[in-house]
Amino acid sequence: DARVTQTPRHKVTEMGQEVTMRCQPILGHNTVFWYRQTMMQGLELLAYFRNRAPLDDSGMPKDRFSAEMPDATLATLKIQPSEPRDSAVYFCASGSAGTSGTRRGQFFGPGTRLTVL
Amino acid sequence: GENVEQHPSTLSVQEGDSAVIKCTYSDSASNYFPWYKQELGKGPQLIIDIRSNVGEKKDQRIAVTLNKTAKHFSLHITETQPEDSAVYFCAAIRYDYKLSFGAGTTVTVRA
Repeated sequence: DARVTQTPRHKVTEMGQEVTMRCQPILGHNTVFWYRQTMMQGLELLAYFRNRAPLDDSGMPKDRFSAEMPDATLATLKIQPSEPRDSAVYFCASGSAGTSGTRRGQFFGPGTRLTVL
Repeated sequence: GENVEQHPSTLSVQEGDSAVIKCTYSDSASNYFPWYKQELGKGPQLIIDIRSNVGEKKDQRIAVTLNKTAKHFSLHITETQPEDSAVYFCAAIRYDYKLSFGAGTTVTVRA
């Protein structure tokens, strides 16, 4: 049963600390997404990658957030320095862009619950 | 950009009854409409999707309908069960991969 995995599942840190969240997309998927979910804003797209190249990170605060895909099996989202307003659940999702351009669903990981004190 | 509105925000139904969630979208270029179910403490799970060249799709107790002219689509759950209790999100995609999500509907199935 192929699944997106995320680590850590929970993270509590103090303001100003660096936070790194990791995601392993489903094998064979060529598109990776990072979302943030809060009660107030719902699900927000932060960044997405296709074939490891960043296609859009317009939803991400550039001064403190960064997203990378060092290889096809690992995506990372870093926050440095973290702030209390960054407290949220961060989801990674992966998908498969068909060669014909057919769009298919995005499959979400279990999320990382981040609390910044 | 795409704007997806979802109603109702909460829905309480008696076990065995049907539940209907409705969404509207703004961009006529949107052509793929997935539905997600999110249980407490878990990530959204894709439960069904529909493409713009299809009017209706069914999978066991769930079905989706799409009206392209009116730019709205709906999720129908029949014979609801307690395990259907969750938050449901509709979404729409245009020509790129950006999913625009509705605000979510919290469904509670009363035993």
